[in-house]
Order: sequence, then C-alpha cells, then structure tokens
Amino acid sequence: DIVMTQSPDSLAVSLGERATINCKSSQSVLYSSNNKNYLAWFQQKPGQPPKVLIYWASTRESGVPDRFSGSGSGTDFTLTINSLQAEDVAVYYCQQYFTSPLTFGQGTRLEIK
Amino acid sequence: QVRLQQSGPGLVKPSQALSLTCAISGDSVSGISVAWNWIRQSPSRGLEWLGRTYYRSRWYNDYAVGLQSRITINADTSKNQFSLQLNSVTPEDTAVYYCARGYHMDVWGQGTTVTVSS
Repeated sequence: DIVMTQSPDSLAVSLGERATINCKSSQSVLYSSNNKNYLAWFQQKPGQPPKVLIYWASTRESGVPDRFSGSGSGTDFTLTINSLQAEDVAVYYCQQYFTSPLTFGQGTRLEIK
Repeated sequence: QVRLQQSGPGLVKPSQALSLTCAISGDSVSGISVAWNWIRQSPSRGLEWLGRTYYRSRWYNDYAVGLQSRITINADTSKNQFSLQLNSVTPEDTAVYYCARGYHMDVWGQGTTVTVSS
C-alpha cells in the first residue's frame, strides 16, 4: 500500500496569513504515460463529509476559491491556503488514487491563531 | 447535479452483516468513466477506503486487502445504486460510512454512522 504522511498534524495561522500543509507518499504517484500526479486534497468540517479541493495535484475543483492551491510532483506535495479566512478552519487530507488501495493521509487540523 | 443518498441501519449486532445502499441521481452507476466507492471514518483509523465498483464493458471490483474476505460491493443498474455488505462485523467496524463518486471522489453521500454493539 502507498502510505501518505502529512505534516504538520496541526497548524495555527492568523487570519489573512498563509497556511502550508505537506503530504509525502511512500512511492511516486506520478504516472509517466500522461505526466499526471494522482493526488487529491480534501477539506472536512465537523459533521460533514470531505470535500475535494484539488485533484491531479494542482487542479482546483470547480467552485473552490483561488486562495487554495496545490503543488508538487512524484512523492512530495503541498496544499497552500493564501489569505486564511475563518471558514477555512477544518481538517485537511491528501489522498492518492494512483493505485488500489486508495489511501489517505492522517489529516492536518487547521485553526486560527 | 450529482447526488448520492445513503440508507441503511445505524446499529448492527456483532457477528452480523452491515448493509448500506447509495442511491445515485444525476449520473449512472454503469457510466464508463466513473467508479463508485465506499469509505469509512473512525477516530482510530481515520479515513479508510473500503472498495469500489465500476463498469468497463463488464463489472470490476477492488477491495481493501484486509477486508477482502468480508466485503462485497454490488451495483444495481435497475435502481441506479450500489451497495456495501460487510460480514461478521465487530466493534472495530464502528465508524461513519460514506459512499463517493470517482477516483478523486468529487461527490460524497451524507454519511451513515454505524455502531456495532449488542
């Protein structure tokens, strides 16, 4: 199985500042035939299912604010939230869909400082 | 707009089978470019993918290795839905269960809290 490891486990950022969450996979999720990274980022708020923010490592889902961005390739990925808003308080997960079994990171809890 | 509506019991006795259904609107369970997943979430395990079903000229299933002996995911084209059956449950199967569409899971069901207890 591909193990997804996120850092940090929790993060406190001031409103209007930038939040950065990292995700490392135990093997590459880059498919060389199409040069796509099979990596998604999710946001989960209490009592709700996860919501996809980013897929193919850097493609923003429709309707997601442009302050959310994804980067990285191969085994190392980053979710960046610029100009943090109060509604961004949530737990964030990365997930690989390169191969079965699909696997998630352990989550990063983002709070307001 | 695609919606997934989950149904099924919230309480299951140990050693019995857990059965959940996910009804699809706005898409087809037999669509050739999508897959239909079951995921669960618990404090001890986090988000855990359980398996998926998809149609590519015939039906395919992938299951989490540790559950292969207990899990079945089926599609019902007549009702445009798919289902999860998990046999011989224990308290460790207590979790919130979700269905979700696709490889990067762009649509989720509302979640069903399932408790395994006598």
